[in-house]
Amino acid sequence: GAVVSQHPSRVICKSGTSVKIECRSLDFQATTMFWYRQFPKQSLMLMATSNEGSKATYEQGVEKDKFLINHASLTLSTLTVTSAHPEDSSFYICSAEAGQGARNTEAFFGQGTRLTVV
Amino acid sequence: QKEVEQNSGPLSVPEGAIASLNCTYSDRGSQSFFWYRQYSGKSPELIMSIYSNGDKEDGRFTAQLNKASQYVSLLIRDSQPSDSATYLCAVIGAGSYQLTFGKGTKLSVIP
Repeated sequence: GAVVSQHPSRVICKSGTSVKIECRSLDFQATTMFWYRQFPKQSLMLMATSNEGSKATYEQGVEKDKFLINHASLTLSTLTVTSAHPEDSSFYICSAEAGQGARNTEAFFGQGTRLTVV
Repeated sequence: QKEVEQNSGPLSVPEGAIASLNCTYSDRGSQSFFWYRQYSGKSPELIMSIYSNGDKEDGRFTAQLNKASQYVSLLIRDSQPSDSATYLCAVIGAGSYQLTFGKGTKLSVIP
């Protein structure tokens, strides 16, 4: 399957600081990338949809000014958690897919980033 | 609100048995269905995708889809302890390209 690389895998930061998470598609061009958040023993919750060259679409309840998404190229999307607080501590996962809305498009996930805000 | 429902489990099966995982979805127009496996602390990995009614087999895994009943299942034959994980059902709804995930079923294969 396609390879999606996410970095860093784990980060600890102080409350009030910002953290950037990178998501790269290594062997294909991803016109669309998705950012999820997963709290312990919960399912993945979609935060935002990132389309190359345009503004991200955020899900209801997700603050776009807090979770900044940049999808500047077909192989890279970044999520920046600004002014992080302990309640932002979670497992952040990106996924990427080729094509747009193709019926049989499959999403492949990055390794995930465990963010701990202290 | 598009919903994907799964029994949270845990589902315990003995090694070598068949594990049966079930999922229902609310969006009748959904076209694409996926099963992901997620080990603790790791991101999901795709196991199977299915788009048409009926069965789709891949090795020890069989996905079954019944659109009339809005039901999709995953069978794991000859279950192994390494299959112990949380299995996530995911659906792409009508007119969408976003995955909606169920909460997952935790499977435990007992040696």
